Amino acid sequence: TQLLEQSPQFLSIQEGENLTVYCNSSSVFSSLQWYRQEPGEGPVLLVTVVTGGEVKKLKRLTFQFGDARKDSSLHITAAQPGDTGLYLCACHGAGSYQLTFGKGTKLSVIP
Amino acid sequence: NAGVTQTPKFQVLKTGQSMTLQCAQDMNHEYMSWYRQDPGMGLRLIHYSVGAGITDQGEVPNGYNVSRSTTEDFPLRLLSAAPSQTSVYFCASSYAREENLNTEAFFGQGTRLTVV
Repeated sequence: TQLLEQSPQFLSIQEGENLTVYCNSSSVFSSLQWYRQEPGEGPVLLVTVVTGGEVKKLKRLTFQFGDARKDSSLHITAAQPGDTGLYLCACHGAGSYQLTFGKGTKLSVIP
Repeated sequence: NAGVTQTPKFQVLKTGQSMTLQCAQDMNHEYMSWYRQDPGMGLRLIHYSVGAGITDQGEVPNGYNVSRSTTEDFPLRLLSAAPSQTSVYFCASSYAREENLNTEAFFGQGTRLTVV
């Protein structure tokens, strides 16, 4: 099972600030997914990155996949209270449908 | 669209009681799985199924049973509840296509279980 390390574990920022959260592994990812989980809900997929060096944008969210496919980052520009939630990275095992999740970054955006 | 439906949303059990958490999906997904989520531990895989009649163990299977008699349903059974099984349980489903393993997992809203 591939171990995913996410940092920071907690992040509390003011509305309008920028932030970056990270997902790292000692092994190469075949692909990586980012999910957001709001309180009382299940995780919802934000993006899947597949190619080393890939950058994907989703409104104010920018996702980057490391060139060596061992790390990924999520950058949020001008955070809003609606961005509050738990951000989880996840990867499939080699040749498997099983998803392994990191422990997540809990983000609080204060109005 | 209903997506993935879990029942109940909340449950309190006494130690030693048994119960079944229900999960149903209406997207004709082949792959279904159960996770538990504990503070600081992330989501951990309990059991999964790649189709009707096929199930397998995940990372933390002890104390739980599953079966998959239909594509739509994947119930999780706690045989004899223990306080260590207090957690939030999530069911998820996704397509299972050999040509594309990067499929999106769709989650239910979760069942918050407390064992006293």
